[in-house]
Amino acid sequence: ELKVEQNPLFLSMQEGKNYTIYCNYSTTSDRLYWYRQDPGKSLESLFVLLSNGAVKQEGRLMASLDTKARLSTLHITAAVHDLSATYFCAVVSNFGNEKLTFGTGTRLTIIP
Amino acid sequence: DAGVTQSPTHLIKTRGQQVTLRCSPKSGHDTVSWYQQALGQGPQFIFQYYEEEERQRGNFPDRFSGHQFPNYSSELNVNALLLGDSALYLCASSGWGATNEKLFFGSGTQLSVL
Repeated sequence: ELKVEQNPLFLSMQEGKNYTIYCNYSTTSDRLYWYRQDPGKSLESLFVLLSNGAVKQEGRLMASLDTKARLSTLHITAAVHDLSATYFCAVVSNFGNEKLTFGTGTRLTIIP
Repeated sequence: DAGVTQSPTHLIKTRGQQVTLRCSPKSGHDTVSWYQQALGQGPQFIFQYYEEEERQRGNFPDRFSGHQFPNYSSELNVNALLLGDSALYLCASSGWGATNEKLFFGSGTQLSVL
């Protein structure tokens, strides 16, 4: 059974600082997604990573994938308050369908 | 172009009742998946529909059932509601086999069981 773990679960950081969220998964995967969720809202798609060494960047967020280590990272650069949210990684374990197994989530709070 | 749409947005039911949630996929998508997200947790996969058939199922009891219509829209039915069924129910759509795309979710239906 595919297991996906994120750490940290909670992260409080100051504006302007850099930090990284880690996502580990237990079995071979073809694809990994990162999502953002604001309180009471749905999931906002951030990135999809498809191959070993893939790196995607948008604004202050950068995601990478190491399939050999079964590890993905979401790096936040010079954090701003608007980035406060819960971030989930999700892994697809079987090629050709869209069953996602989600991580536990990382609740990020940016302090002014 | 409308994205994934779900209805209703909020629903309040009592234990033992039955509920039907609806989802219209993004234009051009033929596959619909349903997820349950309990408060403070990550979403859990319920099932997936393609060509009007259930293709995959997560660890949910038979009280959870679904349907997909010829226009690719889908319904999630939950019978004999329990307090523990209170959650945000999310629908996601995709093209079957379209593995390089972002997977988009609808805004969700917040179900409260009293």
